[in-house]
Amino acid sequence: DVKVTQSSRYLVKRTGEKVFLECVQDMDHENMFWYRQDPGLGLRLIYFSYDVKMKEKGDIPEGYSVSREKKERFSLILESASTNQTSMYLCASSTSDREGEKLFFGSGTQLSVL
Amino acid sequence: GNSVTQMEGPVTLSEEAFLTINCTYTATGYPSLFWYVQYPGEGLQLLLKATKADDKGSNKGFEATYRKETTSFHLEKGSVQVSDSAVYFCALSDLGGGSYIPTFGRGTSLIVHP
Repeated sequence: DVKVTQSSRYLVKRTGEKVFLECVQDMDHENMFWYRQDPGLGLRLIYFSYDVKMKEKGDIPEGYSVSREKKERFSLILESASTNQTSMYLCASSTSDREGEKLFFGSGTQLSVL
Repeated sequence: GNSVTQMEGPVTLSEEAFLTINCTYTATGYPSLFWYVQYPGEGLQLLLKATKADDKGSNKGFEATYRKETTSFHLEKGSVQVSDSAVYFCALSDLGGGSYIPTFGRGTSLIVHP
């Protein structure tokens, strides 16, 4: 089975801190995604990546950046955390073939910015 | 563009009741349709999918039929259990349109009481 692992389940940070959220997948998937999930708003795409060192903005990239130096790892960076970035962050991956229609998700990181 | 609309929750049912969660979609191409489920404290996981019109996806007693004429993909289960309490997301994927990025609905929370 595909495993998508997010480094932290819960994270508490202070306003202005630089925050790194890490995601690793073990199935050699080309595509990786970062979403945030908020009550009543569902999933919103922050950034995605089709390949190593490639990144594309999603629907809400402001205040975030990403890094993909290796195929299996996709990092989300909050340059200067703010309270409105308190949320559940979900990482996902998929292949680039027909099966790429299906996403595999990590368990999520609940980030609180105080 | 593509969009997915699903009924707002929460949906509250007693154990063994019949479940329907409505989902309709708008797509420019010929998408595949999905239902994902998110159990408390976890990431999303694929519940079922259908790739073309009139296909029925099924898993764990849940079913959904791809209705092109009504652009719908309603989720049903004949007899829900307490363990089905979760958030359910309808989604579409339009690989034919050249995009590996799925479009998600906002999610519907299901609460099943004993």
